[in-house]
Amino acid sequence: EAGVVQSPRYKIIEKKQPVAFWCNPISGHNTLYWYLQNLGQGPELLIRYENEEAVDDSQLPKDRFSAERLKGVDSTLKIQPAELGDSAVYLCASSLGQGTGGQETQYFGPGTRLLVL
Amino acid sequence: AQTVTQSQPEMSVQEAETVTLSCTYDTSENNYYLFWYKQPPSRQMILVIRQEAYKQQNATENRFSVNFQKAAKSFSLKISDSQLGDTAMYFCAFSNNDMRFGAGTRLTVKP
Repeated sequence: EAGVVQSPRYKIIEKKQPVAFWCNPISGHNTLYWYLQNLGQGPELLIRYENEEAVDDSQLPKDRFSAERLKGVDSTLKIQPAELGDSAVYLCASSLGQGTGGQETQYFGPGTRLLVL
Repeated sequence: AQTVTQSQPEMSVQEAETVTLSCTYDTSENNYYLFWYKQPPSRQMILVIRQEAYKQQNATENRFSVNFQKAAKSFSLKISDSQLGDTAMYFCAFSNNDMRFGAGTRLTVKP
């Protein structure tokens, strides 16, 4: 069974440019997460989807970040315009569901490493 | 808000020896789940072990085991018979609704 797929793996852009990341979760997983991981830190949740509904986007900087999961499967995370401080790894994860009290194990993709110059 | 603290930024262990990674968390909830994830260099994060807070028995997965102390809000990971492939960042995570991660411990297994 294929795991969580993310692309691109690496992206280098100049500041003020737009960038988009794509994620394909494990088949049958209803819940999809986007995380930000700064160097030497643990992942921090940006947004969580239950099917196509964004149920927790409180940590998403909405002035420049946007996300969508139109058909409840693939998801795209966009930054426009990118800033120097956005350089980080963007992780996508999926789980069967949210479960009761966060019991579901999350499965992570390889991440997209973004460098903003 | 729940917080997760990993007080050991870096650790090292000799191959075949045992090492324990520490994790503490802060919560007022009674029901929750705890996880240890491993992130090898330039590779994706994978689950090592999980523990349900309502279970008193400590979880074990082959060479990996936890010492879960609910009253102390402590959740340490013990790796026995360390192997070179265990070299990685290890993240402790708490989940009640959304998952919160600690800052990680970089473990190096030395030959």
